[in-house]
Amino acid sequence: EVQLVESGGGLIQPGGSLRLSCAASGFTVSSNYMSWVRQAPGKGLEWVSVINTGGSTYYADSVRGRFTISRDNSKNTLYLQMNSLRAEDTAVYYCARVGATTKYSFDYWGQGTLVTVSS
Amino acid sequence: QSALTQPRSVSGSPGQSVTISCTGTSSDVGGYNYVSWYQQYPGKAPKVMIYDVSKRPSGVPDRFSGSKSGNTASLTISGLQAEDEADYYCCSYAGTWVFGGGTKLTVL
Repeated sequence: EVQLVESGGGLIQPGGSLRLSCAASGFTVSSNYMSWVRQAPGKGLEWVSVINTGGSTYYADSVRGRFTISRDNSKNTLYLQMNSLRAEDTAVYYCARVGATTKYSFDYWGQGTLVTVSS
Repeated sequence: QSALTQPRSVSGSPGQSVTISCTGTSSDVGGYNYVSWYQQYPGKAPKVMIYDVSKRPSGVPDRFSGSKSGNTASLTISGLQAEDEADYYCCSYAGTWVFGGGTKLTVL
C-alpha cells in the first residue's frame, strides 16, 4: 500500500528555516517524480516544487531561491528545506507522488503538515 | 504562472448534473492534454478524480467525467450525491504545474 507521511511543520518566526520530511512506503521515491504542494488557510492549492527521477529540481517562482527539494534514497524520504520564511509561506504542505503511469498528475498525497510563519 | 480560473461555487440537487469549468491559456490548459481534477474534503488531502483531461483512476465512479475545449477544461458530475459535496480543483501541467483557485460544490 502506498503511503506518504509528512512531518516537520510547526511555528517559525519570519526569516527562519524549517525542513519538512515526507516518508514514503509502498514504492520507491527515487523511481518517481515527487512534488510538494501547499495550501494556505482557507485558500486553494499551490504547486511548490518537484524532483524528477534524475534528480533535477524545479520550483514555483514564489519559492525559488529560498526552498530546496531533495530526497534520501536510503531512507526513501523526500524533503523540503525552507529558508527565509515569510508570513505568506504559512500553509499546509503536502507531499505528492506524480503518477506512476501518467507523469502529469498527482496520484498519492500525504496528510499534510502545517507550517505557520509568525512572530 | 497565473492560477487557472474556476467558479468559486456551484450547486445542484441530488440526481442532477453539474459542470465545473477551468479556464487557462494556450500555455497550459490549451497546450497540453494533461489536465487533472482533485476532490478535497475539509481538513483532508486532495484525491485525484480525473487525469489526462478525461481518464478516471480505478475506483472513481463513472459519474465523474472530464473534457476540454480550447483553453477551457470541464469536470462534469452526473447523478449528484450528497457525498459529492466538496471542493474541486483543476490542475494543468505546463512544464511545471498550475492549479485552479478551487470550486465549492454544494449539494442542495
